[in-house]
Amino acid sequence: EADIYQTPRYLVIGTGKKITLECSQTMGHDKMYWYQQDPGMELHLIHYSYGVNSTEKGDLSSESTVSRIRTEHFPLTLESARPSHTSQYLCASSAAGLNTGELFFGEGSRLTVL
Amino acid sequence: AQSVTQLGSHVSVSEGALVLLRCNYSSSVPPYLFWYVQYPNQGLQLLLKYTSAATLVKGINGFEAEFKKSETSFHLTKPSAHMSDAAEYFCAVISGGYQKVTFGTGTKLQVIP
Repeated sequence: EADIYQTPRYLVIGTGKKITLECSQTMGHDKMYWYQQDPGMELHLIHYSYGVNSTEKGDLSSESTVSRIRTEHFPLTLESARPSHTSQYLCASSAAGLNTGELFFGEGSRLTVL
Repeated sequence: AQSVTQLGSHVSVSEGALVLLRCNYSSSVPPYLFWYVQYPNQGLQLLLKYTSAATLVKGINGFEAEFKKSETSFHLTKPSAHMSDAAEYFCAVISGGYQKVTFGTGTKLQVIP
């Protein structure tokens, strides 16, 4: 049973607002990821982390930022939201080890920017 | 570079019929391959994975997939569809020591009663 949690599940905000999407996992996984998911599109990796104080940008350019101060916590922040940021954001984690591969996903945060 | 292609963004089958969801991969080195399932308003859940052991992999809920190197395919099958199988299915690949998983665009499975 995966134990990875995302809040909020749904968020509707106005343009220009700062938002933070929270992601926490209780499995002690070193690796954590943020994916952006749009209908009919593949999941795009926007950020990942291999451990505390490690963050990297993913394959898809994103204006969001992330931090990894604690192993269990990997929040994503948008300083000034725009309608183009409307999407579903999925957080995931995996155990350390080469090619472990298996990802555990949260239920997602669906963001709508008006 | 690694990539996956899922043929058919939508697949409809009758309840009790065979389910076949297609996935082809591209990888310069032997890959690890995965199928994930996403139910409405939920995150993705691992269905099964191929990690260079047996080429026929069995997963949860009666699904299985066969790794065919000659065809660079990893198609997902289930002999008899159930209404609860209606979901979106994603094929994914990781290869060459990369720590990042590449997903396909997904296939939505509709099961008709």
